[in-house]
Amino acid sequence: QVKLVESGGGLVKPGGSLRLSCAASGFTFSDYYMSWIRQAPGKGLEWVSYITSSGSTIYYADSVKGRFTISRDNAKNSLYLQMNSLRAEDTAVYYCARGSRYYAPGPNWFDPWGQGTLVTVSS
Amino acid sequence: EIVMTQSPATLSVSPGERATLSCRASQSVSSYLAWYQQKPGQAPRLLIYGASTRATGIPARFSGSGSGTEFTLTISSLQSEDFAVYYCQQYNNWPPLTFGGGTKVEIK
Repeated sequence: QVKLVESGGGLVKPGGSLRLSCAASGFTFSDYYMSWIRQAPGKGLEWVSYITSSGSTIYYADSVKGRFTISRDNAKNSLYLQMNSLRAEDTAVYYCARGSRYYAPGPNWFDPWGQGTLVTVSS
Repeated sequence: EIVMTQSPATLSVSPGERATLSCRASQSVSSYLAWYQQKPGQAPRLLIYGASTRATGIPARFSGSGSGTEFTLTISSLQSEDFAVYYCQQYNNWPPLTFGGGTKVEIK
């Protein structure tokens, strides 16, 4: 079945870096756009970043632009999020989620989502 | 940026009753709207896309309606497993893709 498994979360000090990974299985990874979405403790959902199937087009939320980098390795069926200059307000569960198929004009809904990985930024 | 506003923040409903959740967009998103369900400690699950199309495996008691700026998610007869937080998300105008703040459906 379609499955997404995130890893790489943990405790990091403000200003530090962390790299999240998302392993995909059960579908043709290279056919789909992918996204990272986060959820601060007790809060709602915030879209973070989006990458097209080939990796040629990338979008970021203003809150992470210049600090986070999304990438993918279609040969390894994997999605990544490099997070630099981390701040306390980046503390959240980070979900990877599958988006549109490659022929879609743009992003649409997210289905499915991984179980999430917790990133805590604290001194 | 399109702002999505959900109401009410909390909805208290008895099992078997109907629940009606609202989502309003700050500008038209046509029918490019999705609904998700999230239970405690779990990832969100897609319920509805295209404002009214149920995702695979979603029971018929869930229905979505609306277009433009006003949308509704209706749960016709609440089951115990339906008590959760529900989010709407627009994908008409991006970036950014935006979510509503959520509606918590709790047991009355």
